[in-house]
Amino acid sequence: AQSVTQLGSHVSVSEGALVLLRCNYSSSVPPYLFWYVQYPNQGLQLLLKYTSAATLVKGINGFEAEFKKSETSFHLTKPSAHMSDAAEYFCAVSDHITGGFKTIFGAGTRLFVKA
Amino acid sequence: DGGITQSPKYLFRKEGQNVTLSCEQNLNHDAMYWYRQDPGQGLRLIYYSQIVNDFQKGDIAEGYSVSREKKESFPLTVTSAQKNPTAFYLCASSMRNQPQHFGDGTRLSIL
Repeated sequence: AQSVTQLGSHVSVSEGALVLLRCNYSSSVPPYLFWYVQYPNQGLQLLLKYTSAATLVKGINGFEAEFKKSETSFHLTKPSAHMSDAAEYFCAVSDHITGGFKTIFGAGTRLFVKA
Repeated sequence: DGGITQSPKYLFRKEGQNVTLSCEQNLNHDAMYWYRQDPGQGLRLIYYSQIVNDFQKGDIAEGYSVSREKKESFPLTVTSAQKNPTAFYLCASSMRNQPQHFGDGTRLSIL
């Protein structure tokens, strides 16, 4: 069965510091992987997606993620945090077994950015 | 602009009352989904529909019902059987193997 684990329910960084949010997945077939961001009282917005092309995926707002099959990981990074990056981030996985529709979401990581 | 519209943004339910949350999309997506979000628990799937007039239960379907009579619409009814309905409800839509697009959510509270 598919699953997604996000390490750390809360991450705190200083403005200008590296952001690293960790995600590990479990899937018996090549997965589709996504990162979403959620601001308070809003829906989720897609940051980036991996769909078996390049292993390093660039997204919006300066975020990127690297797919590492050997580590079953898809960690999200940003070189320099900005105050506006404070939000909750969700890693998600879907695959052909679920008909390409059903997506499993991680529990989320809340990012705090200190001035 | 294409997107997903959820209404109302805030909703209050009295004991023993059914309430219906609206979700409309103009993205021409085949699939639509309802999720429940509670603090610290991420998103839990309630129901999803891959095609008109068909839908499947998700992980927490008890106390909820849906219909999919039109491609654009996927309303969710929270019935009186759902004993703990206070939560943030999110609707989403997608095409096969594509990321889901989300509405801005409905926050349901008990009076």
